[in-house]
Amino acid sequence: KQEVTQIPAALSVPEGENLVLNCSFTDSAIYNLQWFRQDPGKGLTSLLLIQSSQREQTSGRLNASLDKSSGRSTLYIAASQPGDSATYLCAVNQAGTALIFGKGTTLSVSS
Amino acid sequence: GAGVSQSPRYKVAKRGQDVALRCDPISGHVSLFWYQQALGQGPEFLTYFQNEAQLDKSGLPSDRFFAERPEGSVSTLKIQRTQQEDSAVYLCASSLNGTPQFFGPGTRLTVL
Repeated sequence: KQEVTQIPAALSVPEGENLVLNCSFTDSAIYNLQWFRQDPGKGLTSLLLIQSSQREQTSGRLNASLDKSSGRSTLYIAASQPGDSATYLCAVNQAGTALIFGKGTTLSVSS
Repeated sequence: GAGVSQSPRYKVAKRGQDVALRCDPISGHVSLFWYQQALGQGPEFLTYFQNEAQLDKSGLPSDRFFAERPEGSVSTLKIQRTQQEDSAVYLCASSLNGTPQFFGPGTRLTVL
């Protein structure tokens, strides 16, 4: 059974720092991996989607990498801002259907 | 519409009441998913539709949970005889062909 783990569970950094969020999964037979952002009381906003054949995706200050063979993904956030404060969720898709989520990393960026 | 919408946004129910949660997917999206997110946890899959066909309901926690999508568009998640452990945010997502999925804002259900 696929399990997704995110470390750390919470992270506090001062504004301007670069940071890395980690995601690991137990079954490497995935279709794709997606990183989401969730603000308190809100739904999920998709940040980046990496297909199983890809190694990384970039969007602005965000860069996500995927090492399928080792079951790991990282989300790199450059020059963090207070507006980046949110919960970041990693999810894997094994068959183009249901997503399997980690518990998330709650990020707090102080000004 | 521009995105996935869900209603109501908040629902308070007394234990034992039945509730119905609505999801309006993005127009033209074939796939529709329901997830349950408990406080401090990641979303967990409940059920999946392709058009009007419910192809996977393996995540529904009990036979008190029922979902339908009769015309292949709007979907309703019904919970009968609600229990306190049903308190959670219920998220709906739609997709053109399974991935990527676009999420609605969720319905926060509180069972007293």
